[in-house]
Amino acid sequence: DAGVIQSPRHEVTEMGQEVTLRCKPISGHDYLFWYRQTMMRGLELLIYFNNNVPIDDSGMPEDRFSAKMPNASFSTLKIQPSEPRDSAVYFCASSLLRRGGETQYFGPGTRLLVL
Amino acid sequence: DQQVKQNSPSLSVQEGRISILNCDYTNSMFDYFLWYKKYPAEGPTFLISISSIKDKNEDGRFTVFLNKSAKHLSLHIVPSQPGDSAVYFCAASESGAGSYQLTFGKGTKLSVIP
Repeated sequence: DAGVIQSPRHEVTEMGQEVTLRCKPISGHDYLFWYRQTMMRGLELLIYFNNNVPIDDSGMPEDRFSAKMPNASFSTLKIQPSEPRDSAVYFCASSLLRRGGETQYFGPGTRLLVL
Repeated sequence: DQQVKQNSPSLSVQEGRISILNCDYTNSMFDYFLWYKKYPAEGPTFLISISSIKDKNEDGRFTVFLNKSAKHLSLHIVPSQPGDSAVYFCAASESGAGSYQLTFGKGTKLSVIP
């Protein structure tokens, strides 16, 4: 398996522009997670899906952030309008539920810079 | 309020010696703990885990110890190798509660000096 695929790997945009980050989870995994990594806050969970349904979006910082999972093999995280403080590395991860705990497999991340 | 804390942002160790990375947590409902390793420009990768029913789990050079009463876990790497230089994240979850979210610490950057 190719692992979790994220695109783009790098994104530079200007404040006010719309940004769309994409993720393809590992085939067969039924959980998908979006994380954001910053120096100040470390790795923080934004939202996660189970079987394409959003389960918990309490980590989404503002209404400017939205995430969708139209099918089992694709998810998007959208920021509109983007602001400089959104600059961070955004990771997507997928997981297969298993008894006794779970392990998430991360994509390589999208490094976002909002000018 | 951080529920998972890694109080050492960085650690330097000589090659061949033991590396000990520490992690503290505050949520007594956490019952599953993991360590992830992250190289620059890559996503975190799973390294080793431990369930709260155990106090030790070993995998090759990596051993994780869990002290539930102290709400503390540690990762031991013996012997340390230059390729172990990376950022290590401690993570915890309440899998028994039906929630499969991982709460991460901020990470510890390990540098293994040849």
